[in-house]
Amino acid sequence: AQSVTQLDSQVPVFEEAPVELRCNYSSSVSVYLFWYVQYPNQGLQLLLKYLSGSTLVKGINGFEAEFNKSQTSFHLRKPSVHISDTAEYFCAVSPPWGGANNLFFGTGTRLTVIP
Amino acid sequence: NAGVTQTPKFRVLKTGQSMTLLCAQDMNHEYMYWYRQDPGMGLRLIHYSVGEGTTAKGEVPDGYNVSRLKKQNFLLGLESAAPSQTSVYFCASSYVPGTDTQYFGPGTRLTVL
Repeated sequence: AQSVTQLDSQVPVFEEAPVELRCNYSSSVSVYLFWYVQYPNQGLQLLLKYLSGSTLVKGINGFEAEFNKSQTSFHLRKPSVHISDTAEYFCAVSPPWGGANNLFFGTGTRLTVIP
Repeated sequence: NAGVTQTPKFRVLKTGQSMTLLCAQDMNHEYMYWYRQDPGMGLRLIHYSVGEGTTAKGEVPDGYNVSRLKKQNFLLGLESAAPSQTSVYFCASSYVPGTDTQYFGPGTRLTVL
């Protein structure tokens, strides 16, 4: 079975500072990895995903994530955050055989950008 | 193109009351999902559907029923609401499971007193 751990429940950061949101996964097989963002009072939307190939994945709004198989991590980064990045971020994992009931979400990290 | 819509946006129920949450998508997706979001627990899958007329249980199905009579609609029912069902409910849809992006609705905030 797959599982995801987001150790940081809240991350405050000053505007224009860099940020890293951590995600570690547990799986005995290869996985697909996703980052979703939830802006206040909205549903989730996909930021980026890793399926295969290059371990550095670029997403929307200047975010990127790096898949590290040896450390079983998929940390999300942005070099300079903006006020509009304030949101909750969810890491998710899926096994390669997919399945409608096989996408598992982490508990989320609330990013607060301080002016 | 509205994407995924959910009605209602907010609802307050008393214990034992019933209600139906409606999800509609206009992207011709085969797969649809109902999740609940609780503080500190992320999203958990309640039920899902792999196509019109088919439904299946997810991780936390107890106390809920679903129906997918039309491809574009996925209904979530609570027959006898309990305070433990106080949550934010999200509907999502996708072309295929696994690799494909899931598109989420704006959510329904349900409070059961």
